[in-house]
Amino acid sequence: QSVLTQPPSASGTPGQRVTISCSGSSSNIGSNYVYWYQQLPGTAPKLLIYRNNQRPSGVPDRFSGSKSGTSASLAISGLRSEDEADYYCAAWDDSHWVFGGGTKLTVL
Amino acid sequence: QVQLVQSGAEVKKPGASVKVSCKASGYTFTSYGISWVRQAPGQGLEWMGWISAYNGNTNYAQKLQGRVTMTTDTSTSTAYMELRSLRSDDTAVYYCARSVAIDYWGQGTLVTVSS
Repeated sequence: QSVLTQPPSASGTPGQRVTISCSGSSSNIGSNYVYWYQQLPGTAPKLLIYRNNQRPSGVPDRFSGSKSGTSASLAISGLRSEDEADYYCAAWDDSHWVFGGGTKLTVL
Repeated sequence: QVQLVQSGAEVKKPGASVKVSCKASGYTFTSYGISWVRQAPGQGLEWMGWISAYNGNTNYAQKLQGRVTMTTDTSTSTAYMELRSLRSDDTAVYYCARSVAIDYWGQGTLVTVSS
């Protein structure tokens, strides 16, 4: 059972906009930054969003993050086939990192 | 560019220990920490702990306290994670990642625990 709650799956067709939610509590998302990671099949996770809504260089602006209270969201616009992957949210919680259970995004 | 290169796959018997290495390059090693994160087959990510490469301070996940030790060798910019008393449910891919914020990740090391 993960501390942060994500839907196990999401899907969309090419060109669509999809959002993935991440729900936490006052001790993690409510008081710390949220991070998002993309994990392509068979590879290590890659940082997609840091500090709630910042993109590292090289991450397309199709990816955006937001946070409100104890919840956060990742939005992907202009969906592409190469976006098919697992997505994880993460946040600091007291003295340790916590992750969401992951959302498998399928591009139909 | 920042790179974290981990040691190769391991197969261990229950009760044994494993030590995974993570060699960093492309940044000042002592300016960051290293987190270790593991992923069991078909499962999500689990944070194991963190070590400061500056002073060696550690912070371990409560469920692994007493079984895990994280160390660094600043002379070679390498971090190590040792897990003892291995059980079958320790079978996972183990990742090192640059921290405070977890940004760059190693390629992962598969540790299989099987009799």
